[in-house]
Amino acid sequence: DTGVSQDPRHKITKRGQNVTFRCDPISEHNRLYWYRQTLGQGPEFLTYFQNEAQLEKSRLLSDRFSAERPKGSFSTLEIQRTEQGDSAMYLCASSLALSWEDEGGAKSGYTFGSGTRLTVV
Amino acid sequence: KNQVEQSPQSLIILEGKNCTLQCNYTVSPFSNLRWYKQDTGRGPVSLTIMTFSENTKSNGRYTATLDADTKQSSLHITASQLSDSASYICVVSKRNAGNMLTFGGGTRLMVKP
Repeated sequence: DTGVSQDPRHKITKRGQNVTFRCDPISEHNRLYWYRQTLGQGPEFLTYFQNEAQLEKSRLLSDRFSAERPKGSFSTLEIQRTEQGDSAMYLCASSLALSWEDEGGAKSGYTFGSGTRLTVV
Repeated sequence: KNQVEQSPQSLIILEGKNCTLQCNYTVSPFSNLRWYKQDTGRGPVSLTIMTFSENTKSNGRYTATLDADTKQSSLHITASQLSDSASYICVVSKRNAGNMLTFGGGTRLMVKP
């Protein structure tokens, strides 16, 4: 395991359908993050987990979005009743937090997956 | 208003030339600043990371500078190659903010032969 894996790489769905994405972090990393990136923009924070606990959620994460990390390893991001505005690249990242504060992962690095590109038609 | 602003938005240079990308931020209190390279359709890949006490860091042909007083950073690319064509994103981490990163909008660099 040399990186963060995301599945699927691409997903095309009809408006109103539910979709689920998976992220497998680097195995020894205890923190996992989800970001959303629209074309030509930088990624925007959605949520993050420390082990299985979801510690923070962005206002971008509407009630149609839910993320889980049940065993503190892989994570899933589900979008219910998809809308065209949900079309974006969904990026997962992981890091090893060496302390509770851990200064944004400065000491441990922060690794991104290749993302899942969602297109809602 | 975005707390991390990058310029220019896009840049075209000839292979072999140097270029410098700029990043201004207002994120406070500051923890660290990173530069990432993102190829089209891929996730960002870290180039450099600098904390408050560091004012320059190199990674091969990439050299990042940081002025924490003026809250400015730059990424200098030397002897550009076609493979340098990508988006370069400046990312700032806020102290004691639970690891959330604030991203700039990126500079899209195209290197032409």
